[in-house]
Amino acid sequence: AQSVTQLGSHVSVSEGALVLLRCNYSSSVPPYLFWYVQYPNQGLQLLLKYTTGATLVKGINGFEAEFKKSETSFHLTKPSAHMSDAAEYFCAVTFNFGNEKLTFGTGTRLTIIP
Amino acid sequence: DTAVSQTPKYLVTQMGNDKSIKCEQNLGHDTMYWYKQDSKKFLKIMFSYNNKELIINETVPNRFSPKSPDKAHLNLHINSLELGDSAVYFCASSLGRAGELFFGEGSRLTVL
Repeated sequence: AQSVTQLGSHVSVSEGALVLLRCNYSSSVPPYLFWYVQYPNQGLQLLLKYTTGATLVKGINGFEAEFKKSETSFHLTKPSAHMSDAAEYFCAVTFNFGNEKLTFGTGTRLTIIP
Repeated sequence: DTAVSQTPKYLVTQMGNDKSIKCEQNLGHDTMYWYKQDSKKFLKIMFSYNNKELIINETVPNRFSPKSPDKAHLNLHINSLELGDSAVYFCASSLGRAGELFFGEGSRLTVL
């Protein structure tokens, strides 16, 4: 069965510092990987996705993620954190690119320190 | 102009009651979903409809009954509410079964 693990339920970074949120998946077939962001009292919004092709994927708000097959990882990064980045971030995986089989991680709460 | 809207946003009710949550999308999407997010933020799919046809029913108790009167609406009715039903319920939609998911703001259900 597919699964995704997010290391660290809470991450705090200073404003202007590098943001790194970790996501690892388990799979025996090529995955499709996603990062979603949830701002307080809102629904989830797609940040970026990897399906095929280039392994470095750029998303909205300056975020990017790199698919590393050898490490079964899809970590999310942003070079310089902004106060508005404070939110909950979810990694998700599917293997047939069907939303009905999308499995979400347990989320990482990102706090930005002024 | 809200793309995926849910009502009500908050719902507090007693055990044993029946309640409904409504969802509407104005994106022209053909696929809609209900997700449940528990107190630990774990998000799990409950139902999925494509062109008003049920395509996913993920081991949800039959006290939960989705209804899709048309492609733009997907409602969730819950009978005989239990304490464990307390959660945030998210409606979402997509174009096709593999399109980007667009989520509503959620409906927080509290069962006392």
